This record gives sequence, C-alpha cells and structure tokens, in this order.
Amino acid sequence: AQSVSQHNHHVILSEAASLELGCNYSYGGTVNLFWYVQYPGQHLQLLLKYFSGDPLVKGIKGFEAEFIKSKFSFNLRKPSVQWSDTAEYFCAVISNNAGNMLTFGGGTRLMVKP
Amino acid sequence: NAGVTQTPKFQVLKTGQSMTLQCAQDMNHNSMYWYRQDPGMGLRLIYYSASEGTTDKGEVPNGYNVSRLNKREFSLRLESAAPSQTSVYFCASSDGQGRSQPQHFGDGTRLSIL
Repeated sequence: AQSVSQHNHHVILSEAASLELGCNYSYGGTVNLFWYVQYPGQHLQLLLKYFSGDPLVKGIKGFEAEFIKSKFSFNLRKPSVQWSDTAEYFCAVISNNAGNMLTFGGGTRLMVKP
Repeated sequence: NAGVTQTPKFQVLKTGQSMTLQCAQDMNHNSMYWYRQDPGMGLRLIYYSASEGTTDKGEVPNGYNVSRLNKREFSLRLESAAPSQTSVYFCASSDGQGRSQPQHFGDGTRLSIL
C-alpha cells in the first residue's frame, strides 16, 4: 500500500540545536511533496513544497527540505531551532499514482526547550 | 482574509446522535476536503470535492456523508455518531485539484462522541 512514514514521533531539542525530521514515501510515479506545521491549538500551515527542479527547497522560518528520489525521502531540516518551533510537523505526498490525493504521514511532535 | 472557516469549534455528542460540521472558504477555490486527525495517524481524507457539484470518497468515508452546497461551502454529516468518530476534523481547500496546489486548512472541529 502507498504510504508516508515519519519515523520520529517525538523529538525533544534544546534551543540552537540542529533539526532533521525524516520522511519517506512509498509512491511511484510523479510526486509532489509538502511539509506542513501545526502550532499548538492552530491549524496546519504550509512550510514548504517540492514540485520539480532543485531538490533542495527552502521554506519559511529558516526551514529547508531535500528531495532524494533514489531514497524516496524528503527530510526536513533547520540548522538552529528556536523555542517557537515547538509544533507538530507533517510530511505529505501527492502522486499521480494515487489519484492525486494528498496523503499525510503520522506527524512528528517537536518540543524545543528554552 | 478569513480563509477557511469551520463551525463549530467544539462539540460533544451522544452515540447515535446526528451532526453536521460546516465549512466555508472565501478564496474562490474549486476543491474542498474533509480530514480527520487522530494521534499518530496524521490526517486521513474522509471525502473531497474536486469542484462544485462533485464529491468523492477518500480513505475513510464510512459513517460520513458530505454536501458541496455551492462553491464556498462543503459540509460533513455524521448520521449516527459512534465513539470511533471522536477526532479532530479539518476542512481544507485548494485552487484546483492539481498536484501543485497546496491546501489551506481551517482551525478544526474537536468532536467527542460519548
């Protein structure tokens, strides 16, 4: 079955630490990839997206993600996290092999300690 | 800009009761979606509407019905609520169903079924 996996369910970091959240998908075909963030008590917001071209995409708030097609991965990174990055992060994939429906990973809860 | 507006924000129901969750968007988007969010499972698509007058099942449609009342509004109905439908429900919209269109989310409806 086609799926999106986020292997880290909970991550705790201190401020200024570097962040990398994993995302792997099992879809074939042409994919578009997204990272969404959900701050406590808020709705999901788009962090960044990959459609084509440069596999290293930059999003808001200093986040970036790298699409590695051979590894079916789209990991999210940030060099130095802040307390305000505490949130839940969702990877999502849409594929022409899956009816163009957006499929989400299970999410990663990030807590940044001040 | 209101974006995507969901009502109500919270609701408690008894098993067997019926309920309609309302969603409206003011971005003139063609496509609208209903998701449920459960811990560790990310967001799962219940139903979507690619355009006014059309609706299609998503990943978890059982126990739900939807109505695309007009271009702005997309409602989700639980005919006979069950405890397994306790969840946070998110409505989203996008400008077309194409893979490149990011979705915009509402603030969610937290629904508890006793």
